[in-house]
Order: sequence, then C-alpha cells, then structure tokens
Amino acid sequence: QKEVEQDPGPLSVPEGAIVSLNCTYSNSAFQYFMWYRQYSRKGPELLMYTYSSGNKEDGRFTAQVDKSSKYISLFIRDSQPSDSATYLCAMSGESGAGSYQLTFGKGTKLSVIP
Amino acid sequence: DAGITQSPRHKVTETGTPVTLRCHQTENHRYMYWYRQDPGHGLRLIHYSYGVKDTDKGEVSDGYSVSRSKTEDFLLTLESATSSQTSVYFCAISESLISSYEQYFGPGTRLTVT
Repeated sequence: QKEVEQDPGPLSVPEGAIVSLNCTYSNSAFQYFMWYRQYSRKGPELLMYTYSSGNKEDGRFTAQVDKSSKYISLFIRDSQPSDSATYLCAMSGESGAGSYQLTFGKGTKLSVIP
Repeated sequence: DAGITQSPRHKVTETGTPVTLRCHQTENHRYMYWYRQDPGHGLRLIHYSYGVKDTDKGEVSDGYSVSRSKTEDFLLTLESATSSQTSVYFCAISESLISSYEQYFGPGTRLTVT
C-alpha cells in the first residue's frame, strides 16, 4: 500500500461547480497536509497547508483534514477555467532522522469547462 | 518561480553519458531538494541538502549524486544516464526545516535519455 493515495482523474466539471479533491494516507506520523497546484509544464506551487486536523479556508478554497480517518480534502467553490490544473496532495511529519520530507500523491488532473 | 532557475530546461542525451542539472536560487534558503516526476508515480525525492556540503538521500537516490558548494547552487548528476532516468526533474527550496512543508519549485528540466 502506497503511503498516499490520490485518484488521478481526470476530473471534468462545468464552470461554477463545486469541486472535491481527496487523498487518503496510511502514515499516522504525518502532521502537515498540503495542496499544491501544478499547471501544465510548470512547477508545483503551494496552495494551502493545514497543521494536524481541522479546516482551513482561503477564498474559494477550503482544505479539510480528518486524521482519525486518514483522509484529506480540498474543495473549490465557484470553479473557474483558470482552476484547470493538476492538484497534488502532499504530507510530512518528523521522520526518524528529524527531517520533514514531503510525500506526494500522484495528482488529480482537473478541467473546468466554460 | 520564487527566484529559482534550472538549467538546462530541456536535454536529450544518450545512454551511458554523464549529465549534470543545475538549480540556482536567489532566496538564500537553506534547504534545497531534487525531485523527479513521472506519470503514475507523482513527485519523488531524489536528494536534498540542508546546507553547504550537507546532503542526504531521498526515496529514489540510486544512480544520482548531488553537490552543493554554495548556498545558491545545487547540482544533480547522473553519472551514467539510463533510459529509466528519462523524467522531468524539479528543484525546490524551503527556508527552514520546520517550514519544509512550504517548498517553492523551479520550472523543471525535461530530460530524455535515448
């Protein structure tokens, strides 16, 4: 079992729809939960991060973490064509060496159709 | 791309030849990382550096070496390139260990080994 599982999609939605993206994980040591956005042929960029459990909102984006279920979500409200990208979940926690290496999901490709 | 450049941006090379990829940052961040991104695998850590001349292995380090002689430069070397090393390589930086969840990525290098 991979440490982080993410449905690769592709996911296609009409403009204005609410988008739900999800990841599951198996390592209970993870403490930081991130969502990165990657446009085609570009490097990933950090969208949001959450420490431990709970919700975090930033404009149209909401990140949720449920550590008891080892499940994280990213919701995009009023989706726009400019949201079309691949969304990567990533997680980290202190390893035995004291490092905080990121473990990424494979990414979900999202297309928002005008 | 947060003051991160990668060179070359594209390279085609033959099996068995040495290849060096360069990452240059202007942010004065202590931590630097090399990842590879492949379809079906997502982003995987190759090596990282936590200071000048201080490096450590990541998840997929076999066949790769790194060097960091200056804060701003992190080199990735494929001593004898193989077709399995055809990939997109990303460099990333973070300011500190605790903030390693917040990584800034470069634009990537597309490497093809024929």
